[in-house]
Amino acid sequence: QVQLVQSGAAVKKPGASVKVSCKTSGYTFTNYDIGWVRQAPGQGLEYLGWISDSNGNTNYAQKFQDRLIMTTDASTTTAYMELSSLRYDDTAVYYCARVFGTDPFDFWGQGTLVTVSS
Amino acid sequence: DIVLTQSPNFQSVAPKEKVTITCRASQNIYTSLHWYQQKPGQSPKLLIKYAYQSISGVPSRFTGSGSGTEFTLTINSLEPEDAATYYCHQSRSLPPTFGQGTRVEIK
Repeated sequence: QVQLVQSGAAVKKPGASVKVSCKTSGYTFTNYDIGWVRQAPGQGLEYLGWISDSNGNTNYAQKFQDRLIMTTDASTTTAYMELSSLRYDDTAVYYCARVFGTDPFDFWGQGTLVTVSS
Repeated sequence: DIVLTQSPNFQSVAPKEKVTITCRASQNIYTSLHWYQQKPGQSPKLLIKYAYQSISGVPSRFTGSGSGTEFTLTINSLEPEDAATYYCHQSRSLPPTFGQGTRVEIK
């Protein structure tokens, strides 16, 4: 069955970086893309970006373009999201999700809580 | 960016009643509109894709309709396990955007 398993919670100081992993299984990794969405405490869903697992092409939401990097490792079928220059309002649960082109996000990881605190 | 506006923000409904949630898009998105259910502490779960297409394993009481700029998610005969927040999502144009969510409470 399709599974996306994310790395554990992280606490970071303002200005630091965080890298979240998303280990996939149960499907052909290079046939799908991976999207990243975050959810601040008590808030709605916010799109961060996606990466093509076949060719590494990326699309980042404009507000994150200067501090977001998404990568994949096909040998381990794992996707990564790295957000730098963290601010307090980056505190959120970060989700990875499988997606194909313009289709919806059909399978989601369990989420990774990133807390930015001094 | 395409703005999705859901209404209402909150709804308290008795079991077995019908729930209707609306999602309005700021421009024509044809049928590129999808619905998710999110329970507290859980990841979102895809309920309906492309406005009205059903998803395997999702109960048939969840149905979607609409096209263009106005869409509806209907839950027929609400069950206690349907207490959740529901989000719409458009994939017509980049960046993908989400509605603000509608929380459904069981009376």
